[in-house]
Order: sequence, then C-alpha cells, then structure tokens
Amino acid sequence: AQKITQTQPGMFVQEKEAVTLDCTYDTSDPSYGLFWYKQPSSGEMIFLIYQGSYDQQNATEGRYSLNFQKARKSANLVISASQLGDSAMYFCAMRLLGWAGGFKTIFGAGTRLFVKA
Amino acid sequence: DADVTQTPRNRITKTGKRIMLECSQTKGHDRMYWYRQDPGLGLRLIYYSFDVKDINKGEISDGYSVSRQAQAKFSLSLESAIPNQTALYFCATSPGLAPDTQYFGPGTRLTVL
Repeated sequence: AQKITQTQPGMFVQEKEAVTLDCTYDTSDPSYGLFWYKQPSSGEMIFLIYQGSYDQQNATEGRYSLNFQKARKSANLVISASQLGDSAMYFCAMRLLGWAGGFKTIFGAGTRLFVKA
Repeated sequence: DADVTQTPRNRITKTGKRIMLECSQTKGHDRMYWYRQDPGLGLRLIYYSFDVKDINKGEISDGYSVSRQAQAKFSLSLESAIPNQTALYFCATSPGLAPDTQYFGPGTRLTVL
C-alpha cells in the first residue's frame, strides 16, 4: 500500500543551524514524485521542493535540499541556515505519476519545526 | 493577486445547514482538487477533477459533492453539515504535466456546531 511516514511530530533547531526532517515512503509504482510543502501558522500550503523517482541528483531550491535515497525509500528535507520564519508545519507528499497509480497524492502527517533564536 | 483563491476563508455554521465552498484559479490549470485537513492526519482527498467534464471521488467523498462550473472554478458542497466535517479545507490545482505539482489555495476554516 502507498504510504508516507513522518516520524518526527516536532523538531527544534537553533537559528542559523541546519535541520533534517525525515520522510519515508512506500510504493511499488516505479514512477512517482516526492514533494515537500510548508504550512506556516497562517494556514496556507506552500510548495517547497520536488524530486522525481528517476532523478539521479538530489533536488535543491535555495536553502532547501532533498536527500533522496531510493533504496531506503527516504526523501528527507534539509533546511540549511534556519531562520525564524522557517517555524512551521512541514508535509512530505508522494504523487503517483502514472494512470495505474491514479495520479494520487498521499500526504504524511507532518512535522512541526520550531526555530529558536 | 493569489493564483488560487477560496471563499469564504472562515465559516461557522450549524448542523444540518447546506454549505458551499468556492475555489477559483488563474493558473490556467485543468486539474483541480478538494482536500480536508484534520490535526495529525495530514491532507485527505475529497474530490478531484481533471477537466470540466470529469469529476472523481477521492478517499473521503461521503457527505460532500462538487461542481466544476468552468476550468477556473470548482465548488465543494456539504448538503447537510455535521460536526465531524469541522476542518480546514483546501482547494488545489495542478497543470497535468509531470511533475504535476499541486498548488494550494489559502484554505477555508469550517466549523460546524
């Protein structure tokens, strides 16, 4: 069964330090995409970064990078040089990209990140 | 201006009332979605539409209905609201081309008393 697991309900990090948010996934489909979204206290869902199942290199977007380990089925989000504005809920999601997968998107339960000054 | 808008942003209603949540987008995307978010459960798909004539149930469609009035508009209705439909509701769109990233509206916080 397709599933996303985020094992860290809450994380603390000191401002300016790096932090890794864990995400593991489970699917037998060969074609999928992995996404991270940020949800600040205001409630909106902000797309951060994407990694395709066939991508050879880890995705990066500014201070965000995705540590993709396909054999381990993990897609951890790394935030470098944390800022106070990074305090938010972070969701990992998997999108099945083929018709067989029904184009479903499965979300994890989220990790709440607190950045300390 | 926001690419995906939702109205209302907040709504308090009573059990048994009919409620409509509206979503509009200017991204030109064909695909639109409705999700609900409950604490600790992430987002769950209610309905999705891949074009104006296409409507599909998601994993939790019972008690909800949708209407795709145009490419840019997708409405979610609760015919007879009940308290366990209290949640944060999101509309999302995606372009239909890989990676088919979904872009979310700001959310509607619905409380059913």
